[in-house]
Amino acid sequence: QQQVKQSPQSLIVQKGGIPIINCAYENTAFDYFPWYQQFPGKGPALLIAIRPDVSEKKEGRFTISFNKSAKQFSLHIMDSQPGDSATYFCAASMGPGGSQGNLIFGKGTKLSVKP
Amino acid sequence: DSGVTQTPKHLITATGQRVTLRCSPRSGDLSVYWYQQSLDQGLQFLIQYYNGEERAKGNILERFSAQQFPDLHSELNLSSLELGDSALYFCASSVSGFSFYGYTFGSGTRLTVV
Repeated sequence: QQQVKQSPQSLIVQKGGIPIINCAYENTAFDYFPWYQQFPGKGPALLIAIRPDVSEKKEGRFTISFNKSAKQFSLHIMDSQPGDSATYFCAASMGPGGSQGNLIFGKGTKLSVKP
Repeated sequence: DSGVTQTPKHLITATGQRVTLRCSPRSGDLSVYWYQQSLDQGLQFLIQYYNGEERAKGNILERFSAQQFPDLHSELNLSSLELGDSALYFCASSVSGFSFYGYTFGSGTRLTVV
């Protein structure tokens, strides 16, 4: 299955809250899982990425948790700020460490962080 | 500015017409990718070029074609346009042909078919 399922479609949190966005996949050939952030009028930008041999990766306030046996991964945003309001996409790529070029994206989560 | 330049930013055209979208990759990047973004389908991979050669093909319709030129810029040609082709078309580039180096996306071309 060449799909990545993402939930929720939209999310509203208060400033300082910890929004969590979840993704699931079926294809065990996927070997690289990035998250992209997209602001209105802009293209997506790489936020953070993980490989399935790692269970957690942190970069600043952003953390990816990865559960290989469940074929699920999630993005947590610590101490969320209004400036984090954007659409977030999870994605997956095949081949060792993402050695294939194309990414398969989830349908996106629109996050709104209220002041 | 991401360094990936897409022109035009907006395009309005009629059904049955043909349009060309242009992409200049970030300096030093050899690979170009085209994606279509619509509300119902999300971001769908269309095609990838690496240093002038087609590297991978996704859900690209036969009415669509692309190429990458010797100066590494790329063009996506859409013909016999239908209402359903209305979408945001993104170009992205990367230094290699591998996704794990990350892509840099342009700001997109919004195509409206009327």
